[in-house]
Amino acid sequence: DAVLTQSPLSLPVTLGQPASISCRSSQSLVYRDGDTYLNWFQQRPGQSPRRLIYKVSDRDSGVPDRFSGSGSGTDFTLKISRVEAEDVGVYYCMQGTHWPRTFGGGTKVEIK
Amino acid sequence: QVQLVQSGAEVKKPGASVKVSCKASNYTFLSYGINWVRQAPGQGLEWMGWISAYNGDTKYPQKLQGRVTMTTDTSTSTAYLELMGLRSDDTAVYYCELISGAFDLWGQGTMVTVSS
Repeated sequence: DAVLTQSPLSLPVTLGQPASISCRSSQSLVYRDGDTYLNWFQQRPGQSPRRLIYKVSDRDSGVPDRFSGSGSGTDFTLKISRVEAEDVGVYYCMQGTHWPRTFGGGTKVEIK
Repeated sequence: QVQLVQSGAEVKKPGASVKVSCKASNYTFLSYGINWVRQAPGQGLEWMGWISAYNGDTKYPQKLQGRVTMTTDTSTSTAYLELMGLRSDDTAVYYCELISGAFDLWGQGTMVTVSS
């Protein structure tokens, strides 16, 4: 199975400051079609998860452009350019390249 | 507006089975795949499997093989998750996720509690 390791576990951030979350995979997430199926999800307290980013860097409809994804192969990053209060929650990476699908352990973003 | 509505909370005894439904509205169900994901209290997300609404193909993780069954009813645009042989560590919120490329939508979640 592709193990996804996220860091940090917890990320206290000052409002308006940037934040960055890392997701590393135990194996390459490049699929045979050449695409890389690495997604990022946000889960606000008490809510269902919501996908923010798919295929490494494509932003879902309605997602603010302060969220961006980057990376390749086994190493990926989610960045928030300027954290807002509504960004508080847990962020998960998930790979859709290999079966079984797997999630990272999550990163809790909170306001300092 | 596309919506996913899941069935209500369940309380089951160890060894029993549970069947959770996920009904979609206002879109063409056949175009999508459905993931089922669960989240134990205070824990992260766990992928439970995938089913194609188009042809019923399924993929399950090895740890759930033999205990989980996913089905769809395209006439009602409803997906089902059945989990058998329930144990206390199956206590979790169960989510369905509808996916197709740039489209991704989650249900509101169904709490399943396993307790004697």
